Amino acid sequence: EAQVTQNPRYLITVTGKKLTVTCSQNMNHEYMSWYRQDPGLGLRQIYYSMNVEVTDKGDVPEGYKVSRKEKRNFPLILESPSPNQTSLYFCASSLSGRTRGETQYFGPGTRLLVL
Amino acid sequence: GNSVTQMEGPVTLSEEAFLTINCTYTATGYPSLFWYVQYPGEGLQLLLKATKADDKGSNKGFEATYRKETTSFHLEKGSVQVSDSAVYFCALSDRGNQGGKLIFGQGTELSVKP
Repeated sequence: EAQVTQNPRYLITVTGKKLTVTCSQNMNHEYMSWYRQDPGLGLRQIYYSMNVEVTDKGDVPEGYKVSRKEKRNFPLILESPSPNQTSLYFCASSLSGRTRGETQYFGPGTRLLVL
Repeated sequence: GNSVTQMEGPVTLSEEAFLTINCTYTATGYPSLFWYVQYPGEGLQLLLKATKADDKGSNKGFEATYRKETTSFHLEKGSVQVSDSAVYFCALSDRGNQGGKLIFGQGTELSVKP
């Protein structure tokens, strides 16, 4: 089954404790990205990747890191989480990121609480 | 910059009622427009899309028409069901150098009562 998976689905942590949220897709997509969803703000892009070893900032990159060492995986790293990073996080992928009207496929989400 | 504005929710309807969720956008160039749906506890999934002016996207009884003159992409359904209860997001993408980035509206929660 074609899908985007994320782990963990739920995470409670404390300020400053490094964490990684994994994302994997099995559709051989080149384009992957991370969004955060906050009430009243919709989804906002954090980082994106056009292909292996090619990453760039989205609209809200502060406090986050990413890496793309393999095509299928795109982990999101919070090196020193803070309470304002409490949010619902979604990973997404699409075929190339270059085609008009391209459909993006979303993971099930990771709900993060930073105390 | 580009932006999307949706009508505020929550929207509560009785089963078989007519649904309209308004969406307007601001964009340079000629964006593609999307409606995504998020069912409780799940990720977003594409509901329908339109890539040029006057295109109509449709799926599962939902429709939306790309209106360039009014910069709108309103979502409609003639008869809603309880299973349509979800959060609906309007979004746009353009062909700028940020690849496949989607710009989302704030989401509209729909609750359908039996």
